[in-house]
Amino acid sequence: GQQLNQSPQSMFIQEGEDVSMNCTSSSIFNTWLWYKQDPGEGPVLLIALYKAGELTSNGRLTAQFGITRKDSFLNISASIPSDVGIYFCAGQLGNQFYFGTGTSLTVIP
Amino acid sequence: DSGVTQTPKHLITATGQRVTLRCSPRSGDLSVYWYQQSLDQGLQFLIQYYNGEERAKGNILERFSAQQFPDLHSELNLSSLELGDSALYFCASSAGTSPYNEQFFGPGTRLTVL
Repeated sequence: GQQLNQSPQSMFIQEGEDVSMNCTSSSIFNTWLWYKQDPGEGPVLLIALYKAGELTSNGRLTAQFGITRKDSFLNISASIPSDVGIYFCAGQLGNQFYFGTGTSLTVIP
Repeated sequence: DSGVTQTPKHLITATGQRVTLRCSPRSGDLSVYWYQQSLDQGLQFLIQYYNGEERAKGNILERFSAQQFPDLHSELNLSSLELGDSALYFCASSAGTSPYNEQFFGPGTRLTVL
């Protein structure tokens, strides 16, 4: 099945730093979603994007739906230790959902 | 706690066997989704049910089947198990079928095939 290219694969940052990760696809999507998964748990929705060019914030998180509808990025500002986890992008087209390969984030206090 | 429950939490079985994974959606949610998360394939959408009817199919193998019952709980049946079926299986639920309906994921069932 289709897979989204998500980068970087992993990040090690100092507490307080900003983080940026992105997702690209060869196909266009109608919806882009960003999830966070903690160890031993299911993914939790962070931000949902529904229109090309849309820029949405959720606290320290900001995500954008690319103009081409083939990409999206997620920024985390002023990282804190509880931001540790795996972040996934997901694209929805019709009734189908496709997920990125994940970005593992480690925040060093 | 997302409100979605999955049982069992862990399952260990042998190749060739058949297992059933169970999911109870959040109260009031009519849609149930099943996903497989493995190390080499990442998170893959398998199938979606809405109010008892199959709504969408993703990368679900023919050896796998699912159903949603009148009380809205769902079961995922995996048969003729292979080593490669070892993975985390997640169930998610949402209120409806609109892309605006957030999916809430359960804690997952970890399946190990020996």
